[in-house]
Amino acid sequence: GAGVSQTPSNKVTEKGKYVELRCDPISGHTALYWYRQSLGQGPEFLIYFQGTGAADDSGLPNDRFFAVRPEGSVSTLKIQRTERGDSAVYLCASSSSGRDEQFFGPGTRLTVL
Amino acid sequence: AQKVTQAQTEISVVEKEDVTLDCVYETRDTTYYLFWYKQPPSGELVFLIRRNSFDEQNEISGRYSWNFQKSTSSFNFTITASQVVDSAVYFCALSEAGRGYQKVTFGIGTKLQVIP
Repeated sequence: GAGVSQTPSNKVTEKGKYVELRCDPISGHTALYWYRQSLGQGPEFLIYFQGTGAADDSGLPNDRFFAVRPEGSVSTLKIQRTERGDSAVYLCASSSSGRDEQFFGPGTRLTVL
Repeated sequence: AQKVTQAQTEISVVEKEDVTLDCVYETRDTTYYLFWYKQPPSGELVFLIRRNSFDEQNEISGRYSWNFQKSTSSFNFTITASQVVDSAVYFCALSEAGRGYQKVTFGIGTKLQVIP
């Protein structure tokens, strides 16, 4: 596909469960970002990957959140022991390099019951 | 720390009216980028513009124009002759330019409703 894709589009889970959210960046984009957007708020930075490595994970709220990008393309955001406060839209963005314009995916809406 | 303030949470205008969305930012960085994004009801963020802090020239793109004033730390966005398709949430955002990547700080957004 031409744009950033994210799966699933919606995820409903119960408190305490583990979830994985997937991001497929635009082909060839080396930079990948995750953001979290709570209802009525702007997106908040979570983590930035350059290639396979997490160059800046300062936005991850706590150690229940973890993200990987093992082959420098697809990335997975992993949330352990989910809490109701984790409910939000998780957005992924990619860019051809760290300095370039970010293209956003449609997001995954996570609801923790 | 960086901060972006969008004081207008919701604006309603009648189609064909002009509308200005305000944005005020705070940063200690000497070089930075400013952005505007559009988020239509479908939810996907659409990039509109990026300006470097060195470039204070105003920019016009069709019905859109941006007014960057470093002296007042503002980066306002004007839509001329608004259309119903302009209805969306608009985010102003900021990132430091010297990092080599863009850790973007977003404002809370302004919801624009254009009434036919």
